[in-house]
Amino acid sequence: KAGVTQTPRYLIKTRGQQVTLSCSPISGHRSVSWYQQTPGQGLQFLFEYFSETQRNKGNFPGRFSGRQFSNSRSEMNVSTLELGDSALYLCASSPSGIETQYFGPGTRLLVL
Amino acid sequence: DQQVKQNSPSLSVQEGRISILNCDYTNSMFDYFLWYKKYPAEGPTFLISISSIKDKNEDGRFTVFLNKSAKHLSLHIVPSQPGDSAVYFCAASRPGFQKLVFGTGTRLLVSP
Repeated sequence: KAGVTQTPRYLIKTRGQQVTLSCSPISGHRSVSWYQQTPGQGLQFLFEYFSETQRNKGNFPGRFSGRQFSNSRSEMNVSTLELGDSALYLCASSPSGIETQYFGPGTRLLVL
Repeated sequence: DQQVKQNSPSLSVQEGRISILNCDYTNSMFDYFLWYKKYPAEGPTFLISISSIKDKNEDGRFTVFLNKSAKHLSLHIVPSQPGDSAVYFCAASRPGFQKLVFGTGTRLLVSP
């Protein structure tokens, strides 16, 4: 089975721009979660989707949004980028919930 | 508010010896705990988990211990191997919340 894939792997943007990251879960997995990893902060939960519905959201500003499509693929969008948004963004999938999540390699975003 | 804490940012161990990684949590509602391992440029990989109804779970060289009264869990790796060198994250979840709360990670270095 193919693992979780994320595109792009690296991205450089400037302040004020917006960005869209993509995640393709493992085939058959319906739950997709997004995390932000920054040095010293560990992984911070952004949101989780199941069957195109957001079930849970972390403590991030409204500039961070996401969606899930009928094929379980997910995208997250960050608008009006700030320097502090520079991070590794990780996507994880699981069959139905957070019981055991399988992570993708991440998208490293640098905001200049 | 860091609900899951890994107070040791790093740990060095010699090959063949035991590695003990510790994790503390503050939320007594957490009922499921996981350990993930992360290599550079890769997403976290699931290692082992434990439910709050147990106090120990083993999988090969990896054993997780849970002390609910102390709100503490630990991961034991015996014997440690150089390939175990990575960052280890503990994570916790609570019923009805489809999200994992991660610690900040402990970097383990196993030297030959």
